[in-house]
Amino acid sequence: EAGVVQSPRYKIIEKKQPVAFWCNPISGHNTLYWYLQNLGQGPELLIRYENEEAVDDSQLPKDRFSAERLKGVDSTLKIQPAELGDSAVYLCASKGGGELFFGEGSRLTVL
Amino acid sequence: QKEVEQDPGPLSVPEGAIVSLNCTYSNSAFQYFMWYRQYSRKGPELLMYTYSSGNKEDGRFTAQVDKSSKYISLFIRDSQPSDSATYLCAKVTGNQFYFGTGTSLTVIP
Repeated sequence: EAGVVQSPRYKIIEKKQPVAFWCNPISGHNTLYWYLQNLGQGPELLIRYENEEAVDDSQLPKDRFSAERLKGVDSTLKIQPAELGDSAVYLCASKGGGELFFGEGSRLTVL
Repeated sequence: QKEVEQDPGPLSVPEGAIVSLNCTYSNSAFQYFMWYRQYSRKGPELLMYTYSSGNKEDGRFTAQVDKSSKYISLFIRDSQPSDSATYLCAKVTGNQFYFGTGTSLTVIP
């Protein structure tokens, strides 16, 4: 069974540029999460989807961040414009059997 | 107040040592607890979960929950260099997963 797939693994951009991350969850997993992980910190929730509906986006900085999950499968997280403080790892996870399955993350560096 | 607070470390131990990793949590109506392990530049992976008070063993790993003091612990016996990673405790309530800050562990051969 394929795991959670994220791309790109690494992205380097200049500040004020846009960036997008893509996530393909495990087949059949209806609940999808995007987490932010700063260096030396634990994952912090950005947004949670139940199928195509965003049910918890209270921690998503909506002035620059947006997310979508069309057809309740793949999801995209976008940042526009990126700021220096956005440098971090963006983790996608899907839930199955009470457990979170994580992708390997997308590591963003903003210069 | 954070849902989960975790001792930050880092910890550095010799091979074969017993390791103790600790977290405290704030209460929720229904909750269970998980320990995730995260290797460098990888996503977290589930190590163990536990629903109730007491101990749960899996090989060299023991997860412990003390609900009276709101304390969760992970013990690693006979630690190996391959155990070197960051360990994340998590409290789960429904579909909400709250993670600690993680404890970085290095096991020295």
